[in-house]
Amino acid sequence: AQKVTQAQTEISVVEKEDVTLDCVYETRDTTYYLFWYKQPPSGELVFLIRRNSFDEQNEISGRYSWNFQKSTSSFNFTITASQVVDSAVYFCALSAMDSNYQLIWGAGTKLIIKP
Amino acid sequence: ETGVTQTPRHLVMGMTNKKSLKCEQHLGHNAMYWYKQSAKKPLELMFVYSLEERVENNSVPSRFSPECPNSSHLFLHLHTLQPEDSALYLCASSQEDRDPNYGYTFGSGTRLTVV
Repeated sequence: AQKVTQAQTEISVVEKEDVTLDCVYETRDTTYYLFWYKQPPSGELVFLIRRNSFDEQNEISGRYSWNFQKSTSSFNFTITASQVVDSAVYFCALSAMDSNYQLIWGAGTKLIIKP
Repeated sequence: ETGVTQTPRHLVMGMTNKKSLKCEQHLGHNAMYWYKQSAKKPLELMFVYSLEERVENNSVPSRFSPECPNSSHLFLHLHTLQPEDSALYLCASSQEDRDPNYGYTFGSGTRLTVV
């Protein structure tokens, strides 16, 4: 079975703090893809990153960074020096052959950045 | 226009009404999707269209009827809905059907309330 768990339902931090959103996944496939999406209050989900299972290099994009660890089946997302505009719901998702590459979504983490 | 556009943004309908949700993309994508997002639940895939043909219907009740007249437009026809159908309905598109090499582009959704 394939599953994505985002255990943090809601996180609230003060602006400029660093914050990490956790994502743990389950799959028996050796080839799979992991995604993060951001859903601001306006509603649309915005694609942030895709990572395939063969690439364990961590990635940094500005204040965003992602830590992929196959040993713990985790794909965590860190925002450095958070800003109010980062407030949104963040979703982690998994795509693998076992589910015909249908996206399996986590329940999302609501991130609140207070000024 | 770029991206995925959904109309209307908000819809309130009675249980005996018939209404339609519209989705439009001008990204040249070949696949389009309908998702349902309910409070505190993971995103639920409802329908998948690839090159205007329905390729997946995830056990969605017949009161939801999709239509894809061309690769740029997707409709969701609604009739005899129940209050539990109240949710955010999101449309998405991707280059190819469930191709993990690309992320999905989402619209802002239609917030549906059934009274």
